[in-house]
Amino acid sequence: AQSVTQLDSHVSVSEGTPVLLRCNYSSSYSPSLFWYVQHPNKGLQLLLKYTSAATLVKGINGFEAEFKKSETSFHLTKPSAHMSDAAEYFCVVTNAGGTSYGKLTFGQGTILTVHP
Amino acid sequence: DGGITQSPKYLFRKEGQNVTLSCEQNLNHDAMYWYRQDPGQGLRLIYYSQIVNDFQKGDIAEGYSVSREKKESFPLTVTSAQKNPTAFYLCASSLSPRGPAGLFFGEGSRLTVL
Repeated sequence: AQSVTQLDSHVSVSEGTPVLLRCNYSSSYSPSLFWYVQHPNKGLQLLLKYTSAATLVKGINGFEAEFKKSETSFHLTKPSAHMSDAAEYFCVVTNAGGTSYGKLTFGQGTILTVHP
Repeated sequence: DGGITQSPKYLFRKEGQNVTLSCEQNLNHDAMYWYRQDPGQGLRLIYYSQIVNDFQKGDIAEGYSVSREKKESFPLTVTSAQKNPTAFYLCASSLSPRGPAGLFFGEGSRLTVL
């Protein structure tokens, strides 16, 4: 079984300040973890992924995430928010060690608001 | 450019009518998926297909049907049996259904039942 919890449904920051979006997961196998971003009425775009290589993962648009097995966390960060970062963000887990279809489980989403 | 095309982008339907959402990909991906998105509920898997002429039910398949006659196409039919069909529907594909490569998503189709 696997699950993912995004700890904040809404996060609000000022432009130029750091962003932290929190994600905890549980998985019976060695997980693969992803962060996706969705702008209004659009599809989801992959920001970054962790697949058992380096624990600090760098993605697009200056985002990065750190896989911490001891804390079962995969928080998304960015040093300086930009207005264009305003969107909804999804944390996703899949059991890479599964025997068949690698089912993806999506978090509930975190809406990021960026103020001027 | 390679990608996933969903159509129509917006669709209105009367109660009791079936409607089919189109999903086409030119990424040469084996696996394709349909998700439903409702506010505050993340994405929920409706159906997925790992290979042509084969598909599996996801978590919320009731009231939906799919076909996979061609590798590049995976249409979703929302039937009159679906009790609450108003939602945003997302089609996705991946190179392999088992590999952790991640999904590529289409732009979505918003269905409203009047």
